Amino acid sequence: AQTVTQSQPEMSVQEAETVTLSCTYDTSESDYYLFWYKQPPSRQMILVIRQEAYKQQNATENRFSVNFQKAAKSFSLKISDSQLGDAAMYFCAYRSASGATNKLIFGTGTLLAVQP
Amino acid sequence: DTGVSQDPRHKITKRGQNVTFRCDPISEHNRLYWYRQTLGQGPEFLTYFQNEAQLEKSRLLSDRFSAERPKGSFSTLEIQRTEQGDSAMYLCASSFAGTDRSPLHFGNGTRLTVT
Repeated sequence: AQTVTQSQPEMSVQEAETVTLSCTYDTSESDYYLFWYKQPPSRQMILVIRQEAYKQQNATENRFSVNFQKAAKSFSLKISDSQLGDAAMYFCAYRSASGATNKLIFGTGTLLAVQP
Repeated sequence: DTGVSQDPRHKITKRGQNVTFRCDPISEHNRLYWYRQTLGQGPEFLTYFQNEAQLEKSRLLSDRFSAERPKGSFSTLEIQRTEQGDSAMYLCASSFAGTDRSPLHFGNGTRLTVT
Protein backbone atom coordinates (compact mmCIF):
# COMPACT_ATOMS: atom_id res chain seq x y z
CA ALA A 1 0.00 0.00 0.00
CA GLN A 2 1.10 3.51 -0.70
CA THR A 3 1.91 5.89 2.14
CA VAL A 4 2.69 9.60 2.37
CA THR A 5 4.77 11.08 5.18
CA GLN A 6 5.09 14.70 6.17
CA SER A 7 7.61 14.94 8.96
CA GLN A 8 7.13 18.63 9.76
CA PRO A 9 3.92 19.17 11.75
CA GLU A 10 4.53 22.94 11.87
CA MET A 11 6.69 25.42 10.03
CA SER A 12 7.11 29.17 10.27
CA VAL A 13 8.41 31.69 7.75
CA GLN A 14 8.86 35.43 7.65
CA GLU A 15 6.86 37.34 5.10
CA ALA A 16 8.76 37.65 1.79
CA GLU A 17 11.11 34.80 2.73
CA THR A 18 11.28 31.30 1.25
CA VAL A 19 10.18 28.11 2.96
CA THR A 20 10.38 24.45 1.97
CA LEU A 21 7.90 21.83 3.12
CA SER A 22 8.99 18.21 3.03
CA CYS A 23 7.14 15.14 1.84
CA THR A 24 8.22 11.56 1.27
CA TYR A 25 6.14 8.72 -0.04
CA ASP A 26 6.36 5.00 -0.47
CA THR A 27 5.10 3.11 -3.49
CA SER A 28 6.04 0.20 -5.70
CA GLU A 29 4.37 1.81 -8.70
CA SER A 30 6.32 3.58 -11.42
CA ASP A 31 3.55 5.82 -12.70
CA TYR A 32 1.70 8.13 -10.36
CA TYR A 33 0.88 11.73 -9.55
CA LEU A 34 1.87 13.86 -6.61
CA PHE A 35 0.05 16.90 -5.33
CA TRP A 36 0.27 19.66 -2.79
CA TYR A 37 -3.03 20.90 -1.42
CA LYS A 38 -3.58 23.98 0.75
CA GLN A 39 -6.28 24.11 3.42
CA PRO A 40 -6.73 27.58 4.98
CA PRO A 41 -8.47 27.73 8.36
CA SER A 42 -12.18 26.95 7.99
CA ARG A 43 -11.92 27.01 4.23
CA GLN A 44 -11.93 24.44 1.53
CA MET A 45 -8.92 22.53 0.33
CA ILE A 46 -7.48 23.80 -2.94
CA LEU A 47 -4.88 22.39 -5.28
CA VAL A 48 -1.55 24.21 -5.21
CA ILE A 49 0.57 22.20 -7.60
CA ARG A 50 0.81 18.76 -9.20
CA GLN A 51 3.61 16.62 -10.59
CA GLU A 52 3.45 13.66 -12.94
CA ALA A 53 5.99 11.01 -12.00
CA TYR A 54 7.00 10.41 -15.62
CA LYS A 55 8.10 14.02 -15.98
CA GLN A 56 11.63 14.83 -14.91
CA GLN A 57 11.04 18.56 -14.93
CA ASN A 58 9.89 19.97 -11.62
CA ALA A 59 6.47 21.64 -11.67
CA THR A 60 6.16 25.36 -10.94
CA GLU A 61 3.14 27.56 -10.38
CA ASN A 62 4.08 31.19 -9.82
CA ARG A 63 5.67 31.36 -6.35
CA PHE A 64 5.24 27.64 -5.76
CA SER A 65 7.65 25.02 -7.03
CA VAL A 66 8.48 21.44 -6.21
CA ASN A 67 11.65 19.41 -5.93
CA PHE A 68 10.69 15.96 -7.15
CA GLN A 69 13.28 13.26 -6.52
CA LYS A 70 11.77 10.05 -7.85
CA ALA A 71 14.55 7.71 -6.76
CA ALA A 72 14.49 9.11 -3.26
CA LYS A 73 10.67 9.22 -3.27
CA SER A 74 10.78 12.80 -2.12
CA PHE A 75 8.46 15.63 -3.13
CA SER A 76 9.10 18.94 -1.39
CA LEU A 77 7.24 22.21 -1.89
CA LYS A 78 9.05 25.52 -2.03
CA ILE A 79 7.14 28.73 -1.44
CA SER A 80 9.02 31.83 -2.50
CA ASP A 81 8.25 35.40 -1.40
CA SER A 82 5.89 34.11 1.28
CA GLN A 83 2.72 36.10 1.81
CA LEU A 84 0.36 36.29 4.78
CA GLY A 85 -2.27 34.53 2.70
CA ASP A 86 -0.03 31.49 2.39
CA ALA A 87 -0.68 30.63 6.04
CA ALA A 88 -2.55 27.34 5.99
CA MET A 89 -2.28 23.61 6.43
CA TYR A 90 -0.46 22.03 3.51
CA PHE A 91 -1.06 18.43 2.53
CA CYS A 92 1.04 16.30 0.27
CA ALA A 93 -0.95 13.67 -1.63
CA TYR A 94 -0.33 10.68 -3.88
CA ARG A 95 -2.50 9.22 -6.60
CA SER A 96 -1.87 6.09 -8.59
CA ALA A 97 -1.96 6.47 -12.37
CA SER A 98 -3.48 3.00 -12.71
CA GLY A 99 -6.73 1.66 -11.38
CA ALA A 100 -10.30 2.77 -11.76
CA THR A 101 -10.31 5.62 -9.29
CA ASN A 102 -8.20 8.67 -8.81
CA LYS A 103 -8.49 8.68 -5.03
CA LEU A 104 -5.84 10.58 -3.17
CA ILE A 105 -3.70 9.35 -0.31
CA PHE A 106 -2.79 12.24 1.98
CA GLY A 107 -0.03 12.91 4.44
CA THR A 108 -0.76 14.30 7.89
CA GLY A 109 -0.09 17.87 6.87
CA THR A 110 2.23 20.73 7.75
CA LEU A 111 0.81 23.84 9.39
CA LEU A 112 2.53 26.87 7.92
CA ALA A 113 2.58 30.14 9.82
CA VAL A 114 3.68 33.35 8.07
CA GLN A 115 5.09 36.04 10.34
CA PRO A 116 4.66 39.68 9.28
CA ASP B 1 -19.83 26.75 -11.64
CA THR B 2 -20.45 27.29 -7.94
CA GLY B 3 -18.01 24.65 -6.77
CA VAL B 4 -18.67 21.65 -4.58
CA SER B 5 -21.37 22.37 -2.03
CA GLN B 6 -21.88 20.51 1.24
CA ASP B 7 -24.73 20.74 3.68
CA PRO B 8 -24.86 21.24 6.60
CA ARG B 9 -21.62 22.98 7.52
CA HIS B 10 -21.89 21.85 11.10
CA LYS B 11 -23.85 19.09 12.80
CA ILE B 12 -24.01 18.33 16.50
CA THR B 13 -25.76 15.13 17.45
CA LYS B 14 -26.10 12.84 20.40
CA ARG B 15 -24.53 9.43 20.41
CA GLY B 16 -26.83 6.86 18.91
CA GLN B 17 -28.62 9.24 16.57
CA ASN B 18 -28.55 8.98 12.80
CA VAL B 19 -27.19 11.80 10.65
CA THR B 20 -27.20 12.47 6.93
CA PHE B 21 -24.96 14.80 4.97
CA ARG B 22 -25.42 16.03 1.44
CA CYS B 23 -22.91 16.88 -1.27
CA ASP B 24 -23.62 18.63 -4.55
CA PRO B 25 -20.66 18.24 -6.90
CA ILE B 26 -19.66 20.51 -9.73
CA SER B 27 -22.33 19.90 -12.35
CA GLU B 28 -20.23 18.36 -15.11
CA HIS B 29 -18.22 16.15 -12.75
CA ASN B 30 -19.11 12.48 -12.88
CA ARG B 31 -16.77 11.31 -10.11
CA LEU B 32 -17.58 11.97 -6.46
CA TYR B 33 -15.56 11.13 -3.38
CA TRP B 34 -16.15 11.19 0.37
CA TYR B 35 -13.25 11.69 2.75
CA ARG B 36 -13.06 11.93 6.53
CA GLN B 37 -10.62 14.23 8.29
CA THR B 38 -9.93 14.11 12.00
CA LEU B 39 -8.04 16.75 13.92
CA GLY B 40 -4.35 16.80 13.07
CA GLN B 41 -4.70 14.26 10.28
CA GLY B 42 -4.95 14.34 6.55
CA PRO B 43 -8.17 13.37 4.82
CA GLU B 44 -8.83 9.61 4.62
CA PHE B 45 -10.67 8.12 1.67
CA LEU B 46 -14.07 6.66 2.46
CA THR B 47 -15.85 5.92 -0.80
CA TYR B 48 -16.06 6.82 -4.47
CA PHE B 49 -18.80 7.05 -7.10
CA GLN B 50 -18.61 7.24 -10.84
CA ASN B 51 -22.00 8.52 -11.93
CA GLU B 52 -24.48 6.60 -9.77
CA ALA B 53 -22.28 3.54 -9.23
CA GLN B 54 -20.39 3.18 -5.97
CA LEU B 55 -17.13 1.67 -7.22
CA GLU B 56 -14.95 1.60 -4.14
CA LYS B 57 -15.41 1.58 -0.38
CA SER B 58 -12.69 1.89 2.22
CA ARG B 59 -12.47 -0.52 5.11
CA LEU B 60 -12.92 2.60 7.23
CA LEU B 61 -16.53 2.63 6.10
CA SER B 62 -18.23 0.42 8.67
CA ASP B 63 -21.70 -1.05 8.28
CA ARG B 64 -23.10 2.02 10.03
CA PHE B 65 -22.06 4.17 7.10
CA SER B 66 -23.91 4.24 3.82
CA ALA B 67 -23.52 6.50 0.83
CA GLU B 68 -25.71 6.97 -2.19
CA ARG B 69 -25.64 8.95 -5.37
CA PRO B 70 -29.03 8.58 -7.03
CA LYS B 71 -29.14 9.69 -10.65
CA GLY B 72 -25.43 10.42 -10.56
CA SER B 73 -25.89 13.95 -9.27
CA PHE B 74 -25.83 14.83 -5.55
CA SER B 75 -24.69 12.33 -2.96
CA THR B 76 -25.68 11.61 0.62
CA LEU B 77 -23.63 10.07 3.38
CA GLU B 78 -25.58 8.59 6.28
CA ILE B 79 -24.16 7.50 9.59
CA GLN B 80 -26.41 5.35 11.73
CA ARG B 81 -26.11 4.98 15.50
CA THR B 82 -23.40 7.60 15.71
CA GLU B 83 -20.46 7.11 18.06
CA GLN B 84 -18.10 9.68 19.55
CA GLY B 85 -15.37 8.35 17.29
CA ASP B 86 -17.38 9.49 14.30
CA SER B 87 -16.67 13.12 15.22
CA ALA B 88 -14.71 14.51 12.27
CA MET B 89 -14.87 16.72 9.22
CA TYR B 90 -16.52 14.94 6.30
CA LEU B 91 -15.24 16.20 2.98
CA CYS B 92 -16.76 15.71 -0.42
CA ALA B 93 -14.80 16.11 -3.64
CA SER B 94 -15.61 15.76 -7.30
CA SER B 95 -13.74 15.43 -10.55
CA PHE B 96 -14.28 14.74 -14.21
CA ALA B 97 -13.46 11.27 -15.46
CA GLY B 98 -12.93 12.34 -19.05
CA THR B 99 -9.30 13.17 -18.51
CA ASP B 100 -6.69 11.72 -16.24
CA ARG B 101 -5.49 15.22 -15.48
CA SER B 102 -8.70 16.31 -13.79
CA PRO B 103 -7.91 17.40 -10.23
CA LEU B 104 -10.21 16.86 -7.29
CA HIS B 105 -12.29 19.86 -6.23
CA PHE B 106 -13.22 19.82 -2.56
CA GLY B 107 -16.19 21.24 -0.73
CA ASN B 108 -16.01 23.10 2.58
CA GLY B 109 -16.89 19.98 4.50
CA THR B 110 -19.43 19.05 7.16
CA ARG B 111 -18.09 19.10 10.70
CA LEU B 112 -19.76 16.44 12.82
CA THR B 113 -19.64 16.52 16.59
CA VAL B 114 -21.07 13.56 18.46
CA THR B 115 -21.74 14.24 22.14
